[in-house]
Amino acid sequence: DGGITQSPKYLFRKEGQNVTLSCEQNLNHDAMYWYRQDPGQGLRLIYYSQIVNDFQKGDIAEGYSVSREKKESFPLTVTSAQKNPTAFYLCASSMGNRGSGANVLTFGAGSRLTVL
Amino acid sequence: LAKTTQPISMDSYEGQEVNITCSHNNIATNDYITWYQQFPSQGPRFIIQGYKTKVTNEVASLFIPADRKSSTLSLPRVSLSDTAVYYCLVGDFLSSNTGKLIFGQGTTLQVKP
Repeated sequence: DGGITQSPKYLFRKEGQNVTLSCEQNLNHDAMYWYRQDPGQGLRLIYYSQIVNDFQKGDIAEGYSVSREKKESFPLTVTSAQKNPTAFYLCASSMGNRGSGANVLTFGAGSRLTVL
Repeated sequence: LAKTTQPISMDSYEGQEVNITCSHNNIATNDYITWYQQFPSQGPRFIIQGYKTKVTNEVASLFIPADRKSSTLSLPRVSLSDTAVYYCLVGDFLSSNTGKLIFGQGTTLQVKP
């Protein structure tokens, strides 16, 4: 079945460490996204990418970095510059700039990051 | 980008019809309206999408008035398993901000027995 795989599901990090969250999709989607969700809150956009080797900052990009070397993969690195990284991270993909499907997002199961 | 406003929370009882309204006063011509459902510790799941008038699928209906400044998600005969957060998303795939899909705060629906 096609879908999005995020790993790890749970991750613990010490302060000052960088961590990378994996996101892989086999839906042949052009666009991929990273969102952050804090308890009881909505989703906030970190980064998005519409094509390979190109990505754009969302509303809360500071302290995060991404790469898009392959269509299927969009890893997110949470750097030590992110002051409050404990959150639930969601990766999503969509058909991209192709009609109504551009707004239909398929989400992964999420990765929960806790800073110790 | 169109900003959306939804009620923070709603309560209902099993078997009732639930209507959740989303306001998007500055919706653009090319914007589609999409609704998602999210359970705790899971990613949101697509429910329904529309552009104008009414759209119906096997789980919900979406009503969009002629001016498109609001939309209403209708869930018929809800059950306890419909307890979740519902998000309205309005996006324009042709604008300079294509791809920057922003979620609002969502509506927490609590279905009671």
